[in-house]
This record gives sequence, structure tokens and C-alpha cells, in this order.
Amino acid sequence: EAEVAQSPRYKITEKSQAVAFWCDPISGHATLYWYRQILGQGPELLVQFQDESVVDDSQLPKDRFSAERLKGVDSTLKIQPAELGDSAMYLCASSQYLGTGGGAFFGQGTRLTVV
Amino acid sequence: GQQLNQSPQSMFIQEGEDVSMNCTSSSIFNTWLWYKQDPGEGPVLLIALYKAGELTSNGRLTAQFGITRKDSFLNISASIPSDVGIYFCAGSNTNAGKSTFGDGTTLTVKP
Repeated sequence: EAEVAQSPRYKITEKSQAVAFWCDPISGHATLYWYRQILGQGPELLVQFQDESVVDDSQLPKDRFSAERLKGVDSTLKIQPAELGDSAMYLCASSQYLGTGGGAFFGQGTRLTVV
Repeated sequence: GQQLNQSPQSMFIQEGEDVSMNCTSSSIFNTWLWYKQDPGEGPVLLIALYKAGELTSNGRLTAQFGITRKDSFLNISASIPSDVGIYFCAGSNTNAGKSTFGDGTTLTVKP
């Protein structure tokens, strides 16, 4: 069964260091999302791509976070420098079309701990 | 921004019991979604609702899209131990694609 692949599953980093997460969406899915989920809360959208273009990055802290999807397939989310408050689960999701009402397939996530 | 309020925050029930949970919003949505998340995993879509008043079932799960488009309900009948997890509602406006999530209802099922 097709699934969204994310790596690494777990990452521990020191504050002020750089960290990167990778996501490979389901083949053929044009829309890709990065969500951040703080423990005890629901996921919150950071950035949304349609193919290689950013559709929405209004909640992305652009002073330290960046995201790219250069060929419209896989994507990388980077944090530099990491802060203690960035500790969270980072979830990638994909859907076939932009107008699917938000129903998406999620990966297993990357659990980030900043020490 | 938009906020979704889920209740109850947590539930402890006996195996075999029925479960009801709901989600309310201050904003209107065109789509309501219900996801389940197991520990250490990403959310999995259970049910999607696209029309006000719509009632949709998926096995023992039934969800409804409220008439006002500001709320949704999820019912689970005859709960079993594998129903344990966190249930999230999410609202979406179709053209935007992105979803706004509630903070979840944590379900514990006692055998």
C-alpha cells in the first residue's frame, strides 16, 4: 500500500544547531503539507505545496524555518538554528489534488527533541 | 485564526460501550474530517464529510456534518480495545486544501 515516507523517525539536536527532515509523498500526489504537532495538541500547518510552488506558508517561522520541494516530488523542511520550543512531532502529508477538502495521507512523522 | 473545540478531552469507557464525541468551531467549514492517531504515528483519516447534514458511516464509526457547518459529531459503536487512541476533528475549506485541527479526544477502552 502506498504511504508517505518520512525520515528520520527521531532526531535529537542541541539548540542553535541546524536540523533537516525529509518527506517523500505518495506517488502522483501534487499537494504536500508539513504540519507541526506539539504534544497534547492537534497538528498545525506550517507550509503547503502544490507541485513545487508554495501555496501557504503563513504559519512558517521564516526567520528559522525553510521548506523546499524542488522537483515537485519529495520535500525537505529545515530549521536553523533550532530552539528548545521547536521540540515537537513534524508530520508530512500529501493529497492528490489541492481541492480534496484537506483529507490527506500522513507519514509517521519525525519526533524532534531539542536539548 | 480559526479554532476547533473538541469535547470531551478524554474518555474512559468499558469495552462494548458506545462513544460520542464532538467538535465545534466559530467558523464555517465546507469539509469536516475525522482522524485517529496512535502513539508515535501520524493521523489516519477515518471519515470525510462534504455536505451540511451529511451522515456517513465507516464500519462501527458514524460521523455527521452539522447543519450550521460549524460542528461535527463522531460516534463509535460497540467499542473494542483497538479503538484506543486520539481522535482529531479537522475542518477545511475545499479550495484551500489545508485543514485546521482540534486538540483531540483521547479514548481509553478498558477490557
